[in-house]
Amino acid sequence: AQKITQTQPGMFVQEKEAVTLDCTYDTSDPSYGLFWYKQPSSGEMIFLIYQGSYDQQNATEGRYSLNFQKARKSANLVISASQLGDSAMYFCAMREIQGAQKLVFGQGTRLTINP
Amino acid sequence: GAGVSQTPSNKVTEKGKYVELRCDPISGHTALYWYRQSLGQGPEFLIYFQGTGAADDSGLPNDRFFAVRPEGSVSTLKIQRTERGDSAVYLCASSLGRGGTTDTGELFFGEGSRLTVL
Repeated sequence: AQKITQTQPGMFVQEKEAVTLDCTYDTSDPSYGLFWYKQPSSGEMIFLIYQGSYDQQNATEGRYSLNFQKARKSANLVISASQLGDSAMYFCAMREIQGAQKLVFGQGTRLTINP
Repeated sequence: GAGVSQTPSNKVTEKGKYVELRCDPISGHTALYWYRQSLGQGPEFLIYFQGTGAADDSGLPNDRFFAVRPEGSVSTLKIQRTERGDSAVYLCASSLGRGGTTDTGELFFGEGSRLTVL
């Protein structure tokens, strides 16, 4: 069964610093997609970035990049030049392409950016 | 509509009552998902529709929970004989549902329905 693990319940970072949020996953499906979502205190889920298992390059979207290490089954999110508005819960998620299809989420990491 | 719409945004009910939560997905999205999120936790999968049929209902916790999507658009999550442990935010999401290499499967979420069972 597919599984997502986020081992950092909380992270505290100074404004303008880079931060890495950890995510490891487990699946037997050779084809899958990895996602990161942001959930501010207002509650909405905001899509940040996507990485396909067969993508040759790490995904990037503005200040967000995904450090994809397939052999280690890790998909860490890197946020460069953090801003106060980055304070939120961050969720890693995975979807099996051939298998269950559903998106399964990790437990999340609460990121706090200090001024 | 432009985004996924969920109603009601807040629902307070008494233990034992019946509750319906409604989700109106993005027009043209064939896949629709329901998740439940407790405070400080990640969204927990409940059920996934492809069109009118439930493609995966493995996350429904017990037979008090039921969901329908009769015309392949709007979906209703129904909870019978509510219990205090059902209190959570119920999130609905939709996606294109085309599959294949052109569809990443990205989910677009509504703002959720907060259910409180007293």
